[in-house]
Amino acid sequence: AQTVTQSQPEMSVQEAETVTLSCTYDTSESDYYLFWYKQPPSRQMILVIRQEAYKQQNATENRFSVNFQKAAKSFSLKISDSQLGDAAMYFCAYRSPNFGNEKLTFGTGTRLTIIP
Amino acid sequence: SAVISQKPSRDICQRGTSLTIQCQVDSQVTMMFWYRQQPGQSLTLIATANQGSEATYESGFVIDKFPISRPNLTFSTLTVSNMSPEDSSIYLCSVEILAGSEAFFGQGTRLTVV
Repeated sequence: AQTVTQSQPEMSVQEAETVTLSCTYDTSESDYYLFWYKQPPSRQMILVIRQEAYKQQNATENRFSVNFQKAAKSFSLKISDSQLGDAAMYFCAYRSPNFGNEKLTFGTGTRLTIIP
Repeated sequence: SAVISQKPSRDICQRGTSLTIQCQVDSQVTMMFWYRQQPGQSLTLIATANQGSEATYESGFVIDKFPISRPNLTFSTLTVSNMSPEDSSIYLCSVEILAGSEAFFGQGTRLTVV
């Protein structure tokens, strides 16, 4: 079974600075999908960024980018120019490509605080 | 994209009673999932709701406790039966439109059992 580990329960960053959230995972599959989701106090899960394992290029979405190291099974999220609205719980998630195993496996989350 | 309406958004229930949570999607989707998020913790999959057949439950979750219905491709319900305080959690509905694409989530149901 796949597992996802987020070793940072809490992180804080000054507004406008850059922060990196860590995520490692364990799998025997060669192809899969990785996600970062954001959950603000409203409880709504919001997709931040998505990476397909077969793609070597790191995904980017505006101020958000990932460092995907397939061999190391590492998938960190970098947030540049942090804004107050970035404050939330961030969850790393894994999804198998296999039919019948489409569920998301989540890490334990990192609570990000933005310091004005 | 998909817009998910999940009801109720919150409820306070007496132990021993049952609560049914509804999940309505604005488009037909193949995959629908129900997750539980215990206080301060991550999301754990309860089951995959299959249209026209029984739901597929994850280890540790059983149909008698969490019966699920999926009458069509846009609607599902999750019932939390014979509730105890340990069932106090956020319950989230999720759908996936394309394999490996973004999973969309409802806004969650915050359940408190007293």
